[in-house]
Amino acid sequence: EVQLVESGGGLVHPGGSLRLSCAASGFTFSSYALSWVRQAPGKGLEWVSFISGSGDSTYYADSVKGRFTISRDNSKNTLYLQMNSLRAEDTAVYHCAKAAQGSGSLGMDVWGKGTTVIVSS
Amino acid sequence: QAVLTQPSSLSASPGASASLTCTLRSGINVGTYRIYWYQQKPGSPPQFLLRYKSDSDKQQGSGVPSRFSGSKDASANAGILLISGLQSEDEADYYCMIWYSSAWVFGGGTKLTVL
Repeated sequence: EVQLVESGGGLVHPGGSLRLSCAASGFTFSSYALSWVRQAPGKGLEWVSFISGSGDSTYYADSVKGRFTISRDNSKNTLYLQMNSLRAEDTAVYHCAKAAQGSGSLGMDVWGKGTTVIVSS
Repeated sequence: QAVLTQPSSLSASPGASASLTCTLRSGINVGTYRIYWYQQKPGSPPQFLLRYKSDSDKQQGSGVPSRFSGSKDASANAGILLISGLQSEDEADYYCMIWYSSAWVFGGGTKLTVL
């Protein structure tokens, strides 16, 4: 069974940093692209970032470009999101999501339950 | 103007059909894109329902009933999620998504009420 378990969320002050992790199991981790998608309280889904299976290709939403960095450790089956210069509007539940097909061109088929990030003074 | 526009809410009766639309911004041709649909219930992560580009390029999510289907309305430049034989458990938020300009883009979501 494919499983994605996020961790690392918490309360952080504006301007602070946080690193999220997503531990994966049940599939050949290095063969699949992954994404981070967030959902602010009471709001819709917002895609944050994408990384290819090898880690060579990354994409970011304009709202986080230059502040967030996506990475992966294929030896540990773990996805990361380093978040710097955090703002109140980054407050959300952050989900990791597995690509439906290795390259990531066919959307996301499995999502983790998410980890909550609150940015507040 | 948003890339993808969904009505914020829709109500339908049990047993009836519901047609959820996802309208692409003018200038973005719906025929070119695969449209993905997700269902989200309160307190749970999104679940992949299906993707639809054409009748020869579509995929149903694992375990998703066939009463969920996708289509397009080219005249309206929209993707459509059709849910037939509505059940109470279909009450949820539904999101459409496309890959556009090197980013995954979601619609704002439609809250479907079954009553």
